[in-house]
Amino acid sequence: GESVGLHLPTLSVQEGDNSIINCAYSNSASDYFIWYKQESGKGPQFIIDIRSNMDKRQGQRVTVLLNKTVKHLSLQIAATQPGDSAVYFCAENAGNMLTFGGGTRLMVKP
Amino acid sequence: KAGVTQTPRYLIKTRGQQVTLSCSPISGHRSVSWYQQTPGQGLQFLFEYFSETQRNKGNFPGRFSGRQFSNSRSEMNVSTLELGDSALYLCASSLVGGGQGTEAFFGQGTRLTVV
Repeated sequence: GESVGLHLPTLSVQEGDNSIINCAYSNSASDYFIWYKQESGKGPQFIIDIRSNMDKRQGQRVTVLLNKTVKHLSLQIAATQPGDSAVYFCAENAGNMLTFGGGTRLMVKP
Repeated sequence: KAGVTQTPRYLIKTRGQQVTLSCSPISGHRSVSWYQQTPGQGLQFLFEYFSETQRNKGNFPGRFSGRQFSNSRSEMNVSTLELGDSALYLCASSLVGGGQGTEAFFGQGTRLTVV
């Protein structure tokens, strides 16, 4: 079946640098995409979402880019902080079901 | 307002037993979805309930079942537990369901260990 995947399982960045986490999706019918952050021992926490009729959306220190032509989603975190260390999941929605990618672990070096 | 509450937080069961997990969604949310999270398989969708009806179901065996009550609280049940059922079970609530483009809020999960 179709699924959401991630290119990099682990990303290590220096504190203060920008981080980019990538995600590939394959279901062209997906109309809504979400990025979640999961810290150890906690459930996934909503970061930012984007609908398929948009190609960019900005939040506080985060930006999500959607490229429907190549079915690619990315999460950009500006001025990465130690508190950003976590596993990040992208999720796509088609119908009433969220399909999650495998997750990328972001490690922030002080 | 209060977030999504899952109980219990931790559970240890023996193979062959059954288990019931509970999820109280955010007040006003009518959609509750359940997910299984394991290191090997990641986050996998189990099922979604909306207004006491199962609206969507993932690819899990019939040993996994659920229900939703009139107050939107939901329970999931796993019968005849297997070692491979050990996982973090997550519940997510949203206003009308992810399909409508509304964000889903997750609880902290129930860590089930089957021995």
